[in-house]
Amino acid sequence: AQSVTQLGSHVSVSEGALVLLRCNYSSSVPPYLFWYVQYPNQGLQLLLKYTSAATLVKGINGFEAEFKKSETSFHLTKPSAHMSDAAEYFCAVSETGGGADGLTFGKGTHLIIQP
Amino acid sequence: GAVVSQHPSWVICKSGTSVKIECRSLDFQATTMFWYRQFPKQSLMLMATSNEGSKATYEQGVEKDKFLINHASLTLSTLTVTSAHPEDSSFYICSAYRGLGTNEQFFGPGTRLTVL
Repeated sequence: AQSVTQLGSHVSVSEGALVLLRCNYSSSVPPYLFWYVQYPNQGLQLLLKYTSAATLVKGINGFEAEFKKSETSFHLTKPSAHMSDAAEYFCAVSETGGGADGLTFGKGTHLIIQP
Repeated sequence: GAVVSQHPSWVICKSGTSVKIECRSLDFQATTMFWYRQFPKQSLMLMATSNEGSKATYEQGVEKDKFLINHASLTLSTLTVTSAHPEDSSFYICSAYRGLGTNEQFFGPGTRLTVL
């Protein structure tokens, strides 16, 4: 069975500050990991995904995430927050690649950007 | 490319009525489509997986007779909420997988269902 834990339902940072959103996973096999962003009343947009090619994954909008097997973590970071980054962020895991099987999502982290 | 649409984007209905939500892959053929449900300020929960031409596979705890899923073609899947009740009010999101080793699901914009 697979699961995802996102620490912190709400994270608040100042504009220009570092963004760090935490995600820990549980998986019985090498996982595929994803970060999605959701703006109000919209669907999900893929930020980045880990598919075992490289442990440091760069995504869109300046985000990146590092896969750490020893810590079973896949934290999302961005060096400098922008007001437009305010949204809900979801970490998700798949044991089969994330395409042909449903994803297991974390509970989400609401990112608040302070001016 | 890889655009998924949902219709309607929002719907309000009376308790006891049925509502149909469409999910379409606009520029690709989807071998598999998924339906998720999202409660306010909560995560997405997978409801069911549908493959074109075959019966949907429902997750544990999801009522098959209440949430009817039809995947009639490679570009269309429908979710019908039958005899809707206020507790069915939620945000329903579909996603589509086009195969070809992309290992990625493309999500629709979601449908907000409110049952009065």
